[in-house]
Amino acid sequence: QKEVEQDPGPLSVPEGAIVSLNCTYSNSAFQYFMWYRQYSRKGPELLMYTYSSGNKEDGRFTAQVDKSSKYISLFIRDSQPSDSATYLCAMKSSGDKLTFGTGTRLAVRP
Amino acid sequence: GAVVSQHPSWVICKSGTSVKIECRSLDFQATTMFWYRQFPKQSLMLMATSNEGSKATYEQGVEKDKFLINHASLTLSTLTVTSAHPEDSSFYICSATATSMSRSSTDTQYFGPGTRLTVL
Repeated sequence: QKEVEQDPGPLSVPEGAIVSLNCTYSNSAFQYFMWYRQYSRKGPELLMYTYSSGNKEDGRFTAQVDKSSKYISLFIRDSQPSDSATYLCAMKSSGDKLTFGTGTRLAVRP
Repeated sequence: GAVVSQHPSWVICKSGTSVKIECRSLDFQATTMFWYRQFPKQSLMLMATSNEGSKATYEQGVEKDKFLINHASLTLSTLTVTSAHPEDSSFYICSATATSMSRSSTDTQYFGPGTRLTVL
């Protein structure tokens, strides 16, 4: 069993839709959770960073963490074609090493 | 802030040659840099962790004599792929965490744009 599970997609939605991206994890030592966006042939870009259960909002993005269920989510409101990318969840315990999900490919149709 | 650059952005080389990839933190000092490789439609796989002034720590299965890492300063780390072969063709990405007076576990990694290596 992988430490971090993420549906690879692809996920296709119409412009304006609400997108829900999810990851589950098995390592209860993970304390810090991140979402990265990666465009094709580019490096990952940090979108959200959380370390406590609950919601964190930044513009159209909301990150949600449920440590009791070992489940994290990223919601994108009013999705735009420019949001089309691969979204990677990542997490770590107290050290520096990040563990990534496989990434979910998202396509937002105009 | 927190910009990481990589050079070159892409490189094509012949089998058996060596290739050096540079990773620089442009507006911050990076105590720790990481090197990843990513195959098409797959996630990032950590290759090694590099601390300034000390030897890199390699992940299991990564040949340290093939992937030479040097972290000579707080703003520069290099990855040299020695005697490259076609199976080394991949997307190599570095990341860096910023230095702070008191290192925090909340330090985040900032990624470079990646280097696409093609070995013929």
